[in-house]
Amino acid sequence: EAAVTQSPRNKVTVTGGNVTLSCRQTNSHNYMYWYRQDTGHGLRLIHYSYGAGNLQIGDVPDGYKATRTTQEDFFLLLELASPSQTSLYFCASSELGEQFFGPGTRLTVL
Amino acid sequence: QEKVQQSPESLIVPEGAMVSLNCSFSDSASQSIWWYQQHPGKGPKALISIFSNGNKKEGRLTVYLNRASLHVSLHIKDSQPSDSAVYLCAVILNSNNRIFFGDGTQLVVKP
Repeated sequence: EAAVTQSPRNKVTVTGGNVTLSCRQTNSHNYMYWYRQDTGHGLRLIHYSYGAGNLQIGDVPDGYKATRTTQEDFFLLLELASPSQTSLYFCASSELGEQFFGPGTRLTVL
Repeated sequence: QEKVQQSPESLIVPEGAMVSLNCSFSDSASQSIWWYQQHPGKGPKALISIFSNGNKKEGRLTVYLNRASLHVSLHIKDSQPSDSAVYLCAVILNSNNRIFFGDGTQLVVKP
């Protein structure tokens, strides 16, 4: 079965802090995604990629950067974190439609 | 931009009941429709998908797709307390392989 791992699982930072969320998939999938999930908003796509070095902008990209260094690894960067970015973040990989999600990272920005 | 709307927002049923969840979408050129299940503190997990008009049955799950009315439904037969979760409807577009999620239905199955 597809395996997607995320780290850290929990993170607390302060306003203006620098945060990097990591995601690794071991399934050789081309597509990888970063989502945030908030009550009342469902899953919202931040950035996605269809291969190493590729980056596509999602629906809520403001305040976020992403980088796909290899087929396996996709990173989400918050360079000046704000309280509005407090959320549950999911990474996913996919091939042929079905998305495989990681366990999530809960980020709190104080 | 694809709009995916789910109803009801929440549902409480007794164990053994038939559960019906609804999803409407805005783009008739959608490639496929997926249903995901999400338990608290976990990532969503794909349950079942449908590509063509009609229905598809897998175990206790049946999904119906009507492209003309832009509507898809998921039915869970003989619901169990372990089915308690949030159910997400997702639509993949033909044009760019983008996936769009609805906000979900919170299902509670009471023993």
